[in-house]
Amino acid sequence: EDKVVQSPLSLVVHEGDTVTLNCSYEVTNFRSLLWYKQEKKAPTFLFMLTSSGIEKKSGRLSSILDKKELFSILNITATQTGDSAVYLCAVRSGGTSYGKLTFGQGTILTVHP
Amino acid sequence: GAGVSQSPSNKVTEKGKDVELRCDPISGHTALYWYRQSLGQGLEFLIYFQGNSAPDKSGLPSDRFSAERTGGSVSTLTIQRTQQEDSAVYLCASSFESGGPAQTQYFGPGTRLLVL
Repeated sequence: EDKVVQSPLSLVVHEGDTVTLNCSYEVTNFRSLLWYKQEKKAPTFLFMLTSSGIEKKSGRLSSILDKKELFSILNITATQTGDSAVYLCAVRSGGTSYGKLTFGQGTILTVHP
Repeated sequence: GAGVSQSPSNKVTEKGKDVELRCDPISGHTALYWYRQSLGQGLEFLIYFQGNSAPDKSGLPSDRFSAERTGGSVSTLTIQRTQQEDSAVYLCASSFESGGPAQTQYFGPGTRLLVL
């Protein structure tokens, strides 16, 4: 059974801090890893990673994948209160359920002013 | 449309009643997915549709759950004889295709279901 584990489960920081969120996975026939930000209901897409060692960057957020060690990290620099959200990691794997994503339990990030 | 839409946004029902949840995917997206998110939990896959292929129902938790996708667009998730453990946020997502490069799933706002 595919498995995705995120850590920490929750994190409280102050504005300006840098945070690193972790995602490790055990899946059959890995295809891609995705990061989402969930503030209220709808998760919003951040990054999709397919190749090892190539950093994806968008403003203060960046992410990298290590396919050998089976993990990814999401970095947020100079955090702002608007970064407070649940960050979800998901992995797409091959096989019969080709389209589905397996999600981790999420990391709750709280940024205090 | 501009994004995935879902209705209703909130639904309160009594145990034993049937409910129908609707999802309108992004125009042109061929793949459609349903997930469930219980309080404090990650998203749990339920079912997905890809074009005219038979849907992958491997995530449906029981035979009380079913889903249809009419005309390759709108989808309805039906829960029969609802139970209190069905209370959750039901999220729908769509993508251009399920397995190629354009596989990023975009989510709707969800339907929050409460079974009393």
